[in-house]
Amino acid sequence: QSVLTQPPSVSGAPGQRVTISCTGSSSNIGAGYDVHWYQHLPGTAPKLLIYGNNNRPSGVPDRFSGSKSGTSASLAISGLQAEDEGDYYCQSSDSRLSGHYVFGTGTKVTVL
Amino acid sequence: QVQLQESGPGLVKPSETLSLTCTVSGGSISSSNNYWGWVRQPAGKGLEWIGRIYTSGSTDYNPSLKSRLTISVDTSKNQFSLNLSSVTAADTAVYYCARVSSHYYYGVDVWGQGTTVTVSS
Repeated sequence: QSVLTQPPSVSGAPGQRVTISCTGSSSNIGAGYDVHWYQHLPGTAPKLLIYGNNNRPSGVPDRFSGSKSGTSASLAISGLQAEDEGDYYCQSSDSRLSGHYVFGTGTKVTVL
Repeated sequence: QVQLQESGPGLVKPSETLSLTCTVSGGSISSSNNYWGWVRQPAGKGLEWIGRIYTSGSTDYNPSLKSRLTISVDTSKNQFSLNLSSVTAADTAVYYCARVSSHYYYGVDVWGQGTTVTVSS
């Protein structure tokens, strides 16, 4: 059972904006650990989408943005496109697990 | 551009040891500020962090797997490996090797393509 909770699914029409929440606690996100986001498309390896809460690696469109507040983080996708359909995971660390990495439960994004 | 490639048996018998190797190409495994790790994903489930190793040999394991897990590195071959003992059907998953980079605040910036391991007699 993951310590980071995400909604199982979110959906939106092309061009719309969707957000994915990642809810943690005082031992992980609230403890100041960085949050990273990954995009996992069918049949491919996960891809780093956001690192350090709100930074985009080179090549990631600025349609993707991340934020963090308190014990939660969010990923926003604006201008939703068909190729965005897939699974998205947040990742952080947890002091109750000796600082080990933990992934969120994952969110399936569907483009209507 | 660094690339990672997993290799190892696709089928392992229950109670035996699952062994996988990740070969690093396009760069040195000894480059500073990187950890090398493993992630797995059972069918229909989410990602699970397994553990990581620094080229000094220091390791960091998922507490739930620690008693069965060994991650090692061979800098001469530019490879790192995973050994998971006493496997059960619950260890059936796609296994990914990964690079954890300090440049990306210790996010995973490079992933292998993944290899499917089935635990079955």
